[in-house]
Amino acid sequence: KAGVTQTPRYLIKTRGQQVTLSCSPISGHRSVSWYQQTPGQGLQFLFEYFSETQRNKGNFPGRFSGRQFSNSRSEMNVSTLELGDSALYLCASSFEGRRETQYFGPGTRLLVL
Amino acid sequence: KNEVEQSPQNLTAQEGEFITINCSYSVGISALHWLQQHPGGGIVSLFMLSSGKKKHGRLIATINIQEKHSSLHITASHPRDSAVYICAVWSNYQLIWGAGTKLIIKP
Repeated sequence: KAGVTQTPRYLIKTRGQQVTLSCSPISGHRSVSWYQQTPGQGLQFLFEYFSETQRNKGNFPGRFSGRQFSNSRSEMNVSTLELGDSALYLCASSFEGRRETQYFGPGTRLLVL
Repeated sequence: KNEVEQSPQNLTAQEGEFITINCSYSVGISALHWLQQHPGGGIVSLFMLSSGKKKHGRLIATINIQEKHSSLHITASHPRDSAVYICAVWSNYQLIWGAGTKLIIKP
């Protein structure tokens, strides 16, 4: 089976712009979680999607949003980018019966200038 | 206080040494993960534990649920083990992450 894929791998944006990141889960996995990793805050949970619905949410402002499609692919959107949004964004997929077993993608590294 | 605390933050050792990284948590969990992150950023899951001990090659992970503590051990360490090791707990249907331990093994 192919692993979790994320596109793009690297991205440079400027403050005020918006960005959309994509995550394709492992085939058969319907749960997709997103995480942000910054040098200052480490890894933090953003949100989880299952069956096209947001099931769980971390403590991030409304500028961070996501969605999931019927094929379980997920997108994450950040609007009105700030310098502090520069980070590695990781997504992970899991099988519904084993949500705690997460398989991670390679991440998208976002730089906001 | 962070819900997941790791120690040490940084660790430099000589090849062949026995390595221990510790993780303590303060929340109720159903599982604990040890993960490895190399400079490229990709994260690899090493272990998932809910009790006892697991071993894979030179890596050993233990957890004490009563004490809310877990350790990751590396025997006969090698320069290729150099990476950031992260402890994360599964609590309330999400992963809560430790800050990571940066391990450098010198030849």
